[in-house]
Amino acid sequence: QSALTQPRSVSGSPGQSVTISCTGTSSDVGGSNYVSWYQQHPGEAPKFMIYDVSERPSGVPDRFSGSKSGNTASLTISGLQAEDEADYYCCSYAGSNPYVVFGGGTRLTVL
Amino acid sequence: QVQLVQSGAEVKKPGASVKVSCKASGYTFTEYTLHWVRQAPGQGLEWMGWINVGKGDTKYSPKFQGRVTITGDTSANTAYMELSSLTSEDTAMFLCAKEVGPTRQFDYWGQGTLVTVSS
Repeated sequence: QSALTQPRSVSGSPGQSVTISCTGTSSDVGGSNYVSWYQQHPGEAPKFMIYDVSERPSGVPDRFSGSKSGNTASLTISGLQAEDEADYYCCSYAGSNPYVVFGGGTRLTVL
Repeated sequence: QVQLVQSGAEVKKPGASVKVSCKASGYTFTEYTLHWVRQAPGQGLEWMGWINVGKGDTKYSPKFQGRVTITGDTSANTAYMELSSLTSEDTAMFLCAKEVGPTRQFDYWGQGTLVTVSS
């Protein structure tokens, strides 16, 4: 069982918006500003999409946004495109070992 | 540009050990912490541990403590992850990842090394 809880799958049509949740505890997501999100296409390494809860690395489209409320972080993808179809993982720094915890991953299907 | 290039696929027997390398380029190797992550087939990401390359100190996940050793060779800009007492559950892709400052977030990843444990 993963430390952070994500829905196993979400879906949306091109142009729509989807939100992926990531629920932890006050020891990780709720107590950390270091929440990040990664996109992984089949057979590829994860790609850095969001850091510090809501910041976008250079080159990541502004269609991707992150937020946090309490112990739950969220990734919202607006204006869905076919290439957004992938697995998405949240990650948080935790104050005690294991110091890094991941969510179980969410498969995004673009219908 | 930053690159992390990992060693090739390995096939090991149960009980054996495996050592995977991660060669870094495009940045100052000693200034950033490197992490290792396991991903079993069709499964999620699982943090194994890190090495603060500049200081040489390490931290391991309790799940892997006692079986994993992470080291770094600053002269070769290369980090290593050795996992012992392999079982079929260790059949997985192992990935190295560079940390963004002291934040436990990962801006660059290696391509992954597939380790297959089979008798």
